[in-house]
Amino acid sequence: NAGVTQTPKFQVLKTGQSMTLQCAQDMNHEYMSWYRQDPGMGLRLIHYSVGAGITDQGEVPNGYNVSRSTTEDFPLRLLSAAPSQTSVYFCASSAGGNSPLHFGNGTRLTVT
Amino acid sequence: AQKVTQAQTEISVVEKEDVTLDCVYETRDTTYYLFWYKQPPSGELVFLIRRNSFDEQNEISGRYSWNFQKSTSSFNFTITASQVVDSAVYFCALHPYNQGGKLIFGQGTELSVKP
Repeated sequence: NAGVTQTPKFQVLKTGQSMTLQCAQDMNHEYMSWYRQDPGMGLRLIHYSVGAGITDQGEVPNGYNVSRSTTEDFPLRLLSAAPSQTSVYFCASSAGGNSPLHFGNGTRLTVT
Repeated sequence: AQKVTQAQTEISVVEKEDVTLDCVYETRDTTYYLFWYKQPPSGELVFLIRRNSFDEQNEISGRYSWNFQKSTSSFNFTITASQVVDSAVYFCALHPYNQGGKLIFGQGTELSVKP
């Protein structure tokens, strides 16, 4: 059982480049979300989804896009990377309600 | 506003010492959930415990225990007889009621247990 799988694990981008962080879960969870982790700030919610076709913004959505075409996948798109987006990104899924979140292993992104 | 504060940025103890990690939260909701997650040096986030706002019973799991006090909006985590393997960053998080996928995290406490 793979759980939540994120790819890639590491990525270096130049300012202005675009890329997509991939996230897939095999637990048939309805809820998925993206967080970024920065030193001293904990994890902050970027975007989340309560089911296929439904997404909403979290605390820090600017510069990121998401879509949810299937239950399994929830990609995060950076349209024009900026150094401020250098961070560790975590994808998570949950069964909904107040169930615990299951996290992927993270993607470390550096924007130069 | 909903907020979680972990005032201890870093804690260093010697193996076998007991250590308490503090967590204070703010919310106007009457129903909510609180979580603790562990992030070891390898980087993954590991779920430790979930507690709902109506259950103020303390919880013990092996060397870990949690003290939830609604009156002081605190949900503290104690490790008894700490071990080197407990070295990690620990996050406290608030889950608004029925907002699946949304957690409000504290800043994290980095615990270092030295042999």
